[in-house]
Amino acid sequence: GESVGLHLPTLSVQEGDNSIINCAYSNSASDYFIWYKQESGKGPQFIIDIRSNMDKRQGQRVTVLLNKTVKHLSLQIAATQPGDSAVYFCAENYSGNTPLVFGKGTRLSVIA
Amino acid sequence: DVKVTQSSRYLVKRTGEKVFLECVQDMDHENMFWYRQDPGLGLRLIYFSYDVKMKEKGDIPEGYSVSREKKERFSLILESASTNQTSMYLCASPPGGGSYNEQFFGPGTRLTVL
Repeated sequence: GESVGLHLPTLSVQEGDNSIINCAYSNSASDYFIWYKQESGKGPQFIIDIRSNMDKRQGQRVTVLLNKTVKHLSLQIAATQPGDSAVYFCAENYSGNTPLVFGKGTRLSVIA
Repeated sequence: DVKVTQSSRYLVKRTGEKVFLECVQDMDHENMFWYRQDPGLGLRLIYFSYDVKMKEKGDIPEGYSVSREKKERFSLILESASTNQTSMYLCASPPGGGSYNEQFFGPGTRLTVL
């Protein structure tokens, strides 16, 4: 999930397969973890969030997993569709009403 | 449908010019944020505002200022634009209730400083 320098990690997935996008976060004291999706030419869009007292949360076709032991967050997308092609950002929030700290993003490309 | 609009999608300015980026939200939210987005660096917070005439510095405020005279409008100002401020600028606003988790973003302004 995290990039170094100017290179954005890329994940290529066949249409219909499941996607897993990973993120390492930095602050063990963060209380919320959030995923955003950014399609080309648009601003980021909220997908799902999870509180630190949970290890799994499911939405529509998405599941977020939180592993606090290793400070790792993942977003799973079931039955990936072409419309899922986007850049995905993880973010952490220290207390809910503090500014978000965003990761560097991962580009998901769906192969039809 | 919630809406955050930004005054320009693309902007080209010259070094040393004063640049105004405008953001308007129609959701009656107290909080508004300005980020810049650069490839491989993600979104970085420049400034945010939690009420009219109130502002807080984010992680990279140098070279920028902001203005919030009305609740719906949050302006980002580059006092003297420099080439290293060439970037995508995104405005966002979370709904009320205290949580900043779900932010509604505008479409962005791609600024090029020559």
